[in-house]
Amino acid sequence: DIQMTQSPSAMSTSIGDRVTITCRASQGIINNLAWFQQKPGKVPKRLIYDASRLQNGVPSRFSGSGSGTEFTLTISSLQPEDFATYYCLQHYTYPWTFGPGTKVEIK
Amino acid sequence: EVRLVESGGGLVQPGGSLRLSCAASGFTMNYFWMSWVRQAPGKGLEWVANINQDGSEKYYVDSVKGRFTISSDDAKNSMLLQMDSLRAEDTAVYYCVRLPVFDVWGQGTKVTVS
Repeated sequence: DIQMTQSPSAMSTSIGDRVTITCRASQGIINNLAWFQQKPGKVPKRLIYDASRLQNGVPSRFSGSGSGTEFTLTISSLQPEDFATYYCLQHYTYPWTFGPGTKVEIK
Repeated sequence: EVRLVESGGGLVQPGGSLRLSCAASGFTMNYFWMSWVRQAPGKGLEWVANINQDGSEKYYVDSVKGRFTISSDDAKNSMLLQMDSLRAEDTAVYYCVRLPVFDVWGQGTKVTVS
């Protein structure tokens, strides 16, 4: 099975900060990676697919990059509504696996 | 409006069974691969199972193989998850999700095994 790791597991940040979350796969997954945002008590929302394609309606301050085994999600200028937990998902091979999540909190 | 609505969750004893249903509206479910994803209390997301458009391909996470069965009901534009031999570790909110890559999610149905 492909193991997905995320770093950091949590971070305290301020409004306006640039935030970078890294997701690493235990083996190459080409660009078969998506990023999701989940707020407490809410349903997850897809932000990025195919590693770098922005979901319709998602603000352009979100971006994704990477291929192979290392991927990043960047929020260029953190907004109040961005405080949430972020998950990556590999869908290159079964079983599909999510990363453990990165919680972005207010400093 | 594209929408997914899950039902069938509840409280069940270990070893028991539940059948979850996911009803689609605003689109025809058998045009898409579909998925179940779960989230245990206070934990992260876990992919559970996928089914293709005609039901000929099904995939499961190892922990549910032989216990859970994913299927579709084209007449009702819905998807099912039959869960047997339930364990405490199956306790979670179960989400129905449209593929490719999880672009539409239901609100989830809570399953408690205790």
